[in-house]
Formats: sequence, structure tokens, C-alpha cells
Amino acid sequence: QKEVEQDPGPLSVPEGAIVSLNCTYSNSAFQYFMWYRQYSRKGPELLMYTYSSGNKEDGRFTAQVDKSSKYISLFIRDSQPSDSATYLCAAGLNKLVFGAGTILRVKS
Amino acid sequence: GAVVSQHPSWVICKSGTSVKIECRSLDFQATTMFWYRQFPKQSLMLMATSNEGSKATYEQGVEKDKFLINHASLTLSTLTVTSAHPEDSSFYICSSTLGHRNTEAFFGQGTRLTVV
Repeated sequence: QKEVEQDPGPLSVPEGAIVSLNCTYSNSAFQYFMWYRQYSRKGPELLMYTYSSGNKEDGRFTAQVDKSSKYISLFIRDSQPSDSATYLCAAGLNKLVFGAGTILRVKS
Repeated sequence: GAVVSQHPSWVICKSGTSVKIECRSLDFQATTMFWYRQFPKQSLMLMATSNEGSKATYEQGVEKDKFLINHASLTLSTLTVTSAHPEDSSFYICSSTLGHRNTEAFFGQGTRLTVV
């Protein structure tokens, strides 16, 4: 079992839709949770950073962490074609473990 | 966020030659940098942790003699792929954090290495 599991997709949605991206993790010691966006042939860009459980909102993006179920979520409201990218979740304590990434396509 | 610059962004080399990739922190001092490898449609795999002034810590299965890491200053870490072979072709990415833990990591642009 991988430490961080993420459905690779692709996930295709129409412009304006609410997108829900999810990951699960197995190590209950993980305290730091991140979401990165990666465009093709580029390095990952940090989107959201959460410590322990709870919600964090930044503009159209909301990150949720439920440590009881070891579940990580990223919600994107009013999705735009420019949101089309691969979204990587990551979790860890001293080192980050990445999910495989979910390919998101927002159609105009 | 912090800026990490990686160079080159892509390189093609002949089998058997060595390639050096640079990773620089532009607006902060990076005591620790991390090197990842990413195959198409796969996740980032941590290769090694680079510590300024000391030897790098390699993950299990990563050949330290093949992937030489040097972190001679607080702003520069280099990864040298020695005697490269076609199977070394991959996307190599460095990252750094503002602290000692690999949290809230900021990534370089990545280097696409193609060995022919």
C-alpha cells in the first residue's frame, strides 16, 4: 500500500464547475499536508499548506484535512480552463510523500 | 513564496557522459535541499536530501555513486548524473524549504534529461 493514494484521473469538468480532488494517506503521524499544481514540464507550484486537521481557504481554493479518516481534499470553485493541470497532494512529518497526481481538465 | 531556480530546464546527452544540474535558492538561504525524480504520469520520488556542508542522505535504492550531490553553499546544490544511460532519462526536480523540515517545499522548474 502506498503511503499517499491519489486517483490519477483524468478528471474532466465544464468551466464554472466545482472540482473536488481527494487523497488518502496511511501514516497517522503525518502532520503537514500540501497541495501542489503542476503544469506540463514544469516544477510543482505550492497551492495550499495545512498543518494538522481543519480547513483552509484561499480565493477559489479550499483545502480540508480529516485526520480521523486520513483524508485530504482540495476544492476548486468556479473552475477555469487555466486550472487545467496535474494536482499533487503531499503529506508528511519530516519528509513529504507525494500522491501520484490527478490530471484535471476544465473545458471552456 | 520562496524562489528556487533550477538549471538547465532541459538537456540531451550521449550515453556514458555526465550531466550536472544546478539548484539555487534565490531569495533565502537553504540549509537543506531535496532532489526528486519524476517519470511520466507518476509521482515525485525523493532521491536524496542535500545538506549544506555535509554528505547527502540518499533514499533506499538510489545509487549515491551515480547521482552525486554537492551542497557547497547555502544557496546552491548540484546533482550530477554520472555515466548516464537511457534509463536515467527523466524529469529531475529540486526543492527547498525555509526550515529544516521538508514542509512547505518550494520547487525549481525541473530539468528534463534525455539520454540518447
